[in-house]
Amino acid sequence: DGGITQSPKYLFRKEGQNVTLSCEQNLNHDAMYWYRQDPGQGLRLIYYSQIVNDFQKGDIAEGYSVSREKKESFPLTVTSAQKNPTAFYLCASSLPRGQNTGNTEAFFGQGTRLTVV
Amino acid sequence: AQTVTQSQPEMSVQEAETVTLSCTYDTSESDYYLFWYKQPPSRQMILVIRQEAYKQQNATENRFSVNFQKAAKSFSLKISDSQLGDAAMYFCAYRANFGNEKLTFGTGTRLTIIP
Repeated sequence: DGGITQSPKYLFRKEGQNVTLSCEQNLNHDAMYWYRQDPGQGLRLIYYSQIVNDFQKGDIAEGYSVSREKKESFPLTVTSAQKNPTAFYLCASSLPRGQNTGNTEAFFGQGTRLTVV
Repeated sequence: AQTVTQSQPEMSVQEAETVTLSCTYDTSESDYYLFWYKQPPSRQMILVIRQEAYKQQNATENRFSVNFQKAAKSFSLKISDSQLGDAAMYFCAYRANFGNEKLTFGTGTRLTIIP
């Protein structure tokens, strides 16, 4: 079955540690996204990638880093520079822009809940 | 830069009644897509409906329909015959069809269904 998989579902991090969240998709999508969601809040864009080996900062990129070495994978690293990392993180993917296929929506993973202990 | 605004943090509706959720957006593009997503307590994001800006006809999916006013940059969601399973956070989202691939969300509206 095609889809987008995030792992782990729950993650605990000690203060001062870096941690990497995994996101894998087998939908053959070019575009991938990382969002942060705080309790009762909307989705804020951290990073997005339109193609392999290329990515752009979103609205809240400070303290985060990403890589896009493969089309299927877009891991997010939460660094120690991120002062308040406890949140719910969502990964998404979508077809490239300009393709008038009608299937233009983003597909989401089930999310990773990160807690700093 | 494109922005998406949802001015109703919370809404409630009686079961079987109709409710409309509001969304406005700001963009200088003419070719773009708009979406409504639903996030139930499971936190899984589910696409409810999409609208292509170059299509004048409002999109409809069963009990869900939109009122797309391109000149006013307004994109509201109407839910008819509300059901208990419709209770969720609803997010409006924007994506340009060319150029920047950025997908921008509003802050969401929490919909409560009253039995």
